[in-house]
Amino acid sequence: DAGITQSPRHKVTETGTPVTLRCHQTENHRYMYWYRQDPGHGLRLIHYSYGVKDTDKGEVSDGYSVSRSKTEDFLLTLESATSSQTSVYFCAISESQANSPLHFGNGTRLTVT
Amino acid sequence: DAKTTQPNSMESNEEEPVHLPCNHSTISGTDYIHWYRQLPSQGPEYVIHGLTSNVNNRMASLAIAEDRKSSTLILHRATLRDAAVYYCIPRGQGAQKLVFGQGTRLTINP
Repeated sequence: DAGITQSPRHKVTETGTPVTLRCHQTENHRYMYWYRQDPGHGLRLIHYSYGVKDTDKGEVSDGYSVSRSKTEDFLLTLESATSSQTSVYFCAISESQANSPLHFGNGTRLTVT
Repeated sequence: DAKTTQPNSMESNEEEPVHLPCNHSTISGTDYIHWYRQLPSQGPEYVIHGLTSNVNNRMASLAIAEDRKSSTLILHRATLRDAAVYYCIPRGQGAQKLVFGQGTRLTINP
């Protein structure tokens, strides 16, 4: 398995609090992604990074910010958590080539009460 | 970004072949076609990818239409463990923004 670690694996937080999820890789891959997945739904792209300090918005970026200060870490921050952000969050990594697959982490289950 | 169309759901029986279709009519000439699957309560995992020729690996086969506007993921002998949501996604060189469609939920009957 690709070396991707998401932390925490589970988190319960209250509405209005800030939350940071971490994705750590040991593969030195250039691209990193954050997706969310709600029950019975597919993956939705939140933000992605194509290099250190290079990030961009995905499909559902409102209420989220990201940072990538070094290759191995991609942080996702919910600035003020809402119940609609209760979801499972997946990090993925990839090289830039078209034939490079995405490798996903095991996910973080976030509950906002 | 090339858009994809997949059936919402499919059903098959154990030990039978399964053909999962994907339409990607707006694909670019240099885009690879990737397939992923997501088992229940797990993260997505890579299955297979191809450009023009059909591809085989230990998990599945990928048949790509000659005009590249569609592809079919083939599970030669489905098992209960193959019950999952299957996603196809084209990817071009340097493509950064990778957006998944809804995928196909495959049910395998014993």
